[in-house]
Amino acid sequence: GIQVEQSPPDLILQEGANSTLRCNFSDSVNNLQWFHQNPWGQLINLFYIPSGTKQNGRLSATTVATERYSLLYISSSQTTDSGVYFCAVEELTGGGNKLTFGTGTQLKVEL
Amino acid sequence: KAGVTQTPRYLIKTRGQQVTLSCSPISGHRSVSWYQQTPGQGLQFLFEYFSETQRNKGNFPGRFSGRQFSNSRSEMNVSTLELGDSALYLCASSGDMGYEQYFGPGTRLTVT
Repeated sequence: GIQVEQSPPDLILQEGANSTLRCNFSDSVNNLQWFHQNPWGQLINLFYIPSGTKQNGRLSATTVATERYSLLYISSSQTTDSGVYFCAVEELTGGGNKLTFGTGTQLKVEL
Repeated sequence: KAGVTQTPRYLIKTRGQQVTLSCSPISGHRSVSWYQQTPGQGLQFLFEYFSETQRNKGNFPGRFSGRQFSNSRSEMNVSTLELGDSALYLCASSGDMGYEQYFGPGTRLTVT
């Protein structure tokens, strides 16, 4: 099956700093999503981005499908950005809705 | 539009018992997927139902089963619970026109 790797595994930032999270995947995909998992466990949708670039406020994401990676940018980080960020993909030949998740990036934003 | 809902939110069971979890998708969504999250294995796909049919299945033992009703609500059942089944169980729904999945708040199951 498809492999999904995220880096870095852990990240500590000062409030106001910028960061880039990376997601590499091993095969062609027809779905790529970024999620933020809140302290209560719910996965919050950040981006649905199988290709191209999108922006939403201080967050933006870019997926280069031909090179099999995606980047999540967080600018001017705030303490509320803390938590785990997951990248998840669905294989092009998978059929149906089956997401394979990376192991996540644990982000801590300090004052 | 209301989001994905899951009940119960928390559950404590004893080894050997069985448990049923429920998921109501976003109105109009016909696909419901289930995932298990544990500290050791991360987030893993269990199965997906679409229009009352299982369309996809992950690598879990037969103790894990599910079903979907005509109103798209889904249930998953775990029989003969083991300590290792302690996890956060998440369900997600998706519409027909896109692949984006939306997750519910999860059910946290503890097996003692």
